Amino acid sequence: DTAVSQTPKYLVTQMGNDKSIKCEQNLGHDTMYWYKQDSKKFLKIMFSYNNKELIINETVPNRFSPKSPDKAHLNLHINSLELGDSAVYFCASSQEYGQGATEAFFGQGTRLTVV
Amino acid sequence: SQKIEQNSEALNIQEGKTATLTCNYTNYSPAYLQWYRQDPGRGPVFLLLIRENEKEKRKERLKVTFDTTLKQSLFHITASQPADSATYLCALTLTGGFKTIFGAGTRLFVKA
Repeated sequence: DTAVSQTPKYLVTQMGNDKSIKCEQNLGHDTMYWYKQDSKKFLKIMFSYNNKELIINETVPNRFSPKSPDKAHLNLHINSLELGDSAVYFCASSQEYGQGATEAFFGQGTRLTVV
Repeated sequence: SQKIEQNSEALNIQEGKTATLTCNYTNYSPAYLQWYRQDPGRGPVFLLLIRENEKEKRKERLKVTFDTTLKQSLFHITASQPADSATYLCALTLTGGFKTIFGAGTRLFVKA
């Protein structure tokens, strides 16, 4: 019954590898997001998609590539992982974007550790 | 430069008292402001949203105020309980609604 679900919850990988994080929401929302929360707990937006279209790309290295196969899914693929990519990545969704936007619903997070 | 600042130090209060958390911002024009709660190892959970033309919002034991002149929001939890212990995040959604910026959060500890 989870509203926004991400997999995996934990991901440990070596530098230089490529990995993906999957996200699905069953709330019928039009907008989905990826956020990164670093060790200082700052939650920073990375990408925002509305109806499968990219709305926001926040100067994220192009090693990070989001992909939205449909409105309910927004996956994050990361190439050539670096130590600095270690963080917790959160997927979120909301009903609308723009002035009508409401609260965001977050997944449980994926803790990525690059060694 | 643009900043959102929340009390970086943890807030410790006694059960039953009112907890007041502060969120200050500079050089932003928010359309609205939100407060979220985050527990360790979990994603943020939405609590309250207040729009730029609103002064105050309440929900059960929670109250938020928004002063766009002072560029400040206050978040109050009345009759606090140990279960209210968590990190509370302030978030600004900018005019246009495309982008939400989060503060670093304030950790609240409520002692029984």
